Amino acid sequence: DADVTQTPRNRITKTGKRIMLECSQTKGHDRMYWYRQDPGLGLRLIYYSFDVKDINKGEISDGYSVSRQAQAKFSLSLESAIPNQTALYFCATSDTSNWRDTQYFGPGTRLTVL
Amino acid sequence: AQKITQTQPGMFVQEKEAVTLDCTYDTSDPSYGLFWYKQPSSGEMIFLIYQGSYDQQNATEGRYSLNFQKARKSANLVISASQLGDSAMYFCAMREGDGNTPLVFGKGTRLSVIA
Repeated sequence: DADVTQTPRNRITKTGKRIMLECSQTKGHDRMYWYRQDPGLGLRLIYYSFDVKDINKGEISDGYSVSRQAQAKFSLSLESAIPNQTALYFCATSDTSNWRDTQYFGPGTRLTVL
Repeated sequence: AQKITQTQPGMFVQEKEAVTLDCTYDTSDPSYGLFWYKQPSSGEMIFLIYQGSYDQQNATEGRYSLNFQKARKSANLVISASQLGDSAMYFCAMREGDGNTPLVFGKGTRLSVIA
């Protein structure tokens, strides 16, 4: 089973709709992240959380919100989706105890906003 | 200012040849880590190699090695003996400080391996 899972894997929605992307991990990591990837722009950080009570904005948080329901779960919400939020969204995790450790990525959610 | 710069949007390499993907970074923190990831067409992010700012030797992992030039703030990825399966997007990323910061990514380089 995958260590970091994302649901849904693909989603098509309409402008103005509320949508939630979910991320779960079994790695036991305390740190979780949400990135979006756009062609030619690389991965950009939306939000991150270092533990259940900690939420931090990233580079491009406008239009998004997050919820850290448990150590293993980190959800990303688009309250009112717009077409320029069409992108590939990645959840990632990392371990506090080893800052040399990489971030482990989920498989990604491809979101299309019409 | 961009913290990670990858100046090659696309690269071509002949199968079995070596290729270097460029990455320069910008930080004033003496402690940092540099990461390279591969993203094949299927979309997943695959960690390849890590270099710490205090590491004395260049990192190597199989066919991947990192040409780390600290004074020039560059961390170029070298892939030896390219294979068709190496065709993918490659991202350079950096974590600054003591680890309490997320990774910051470059815009990536698309590598195409030609038979």
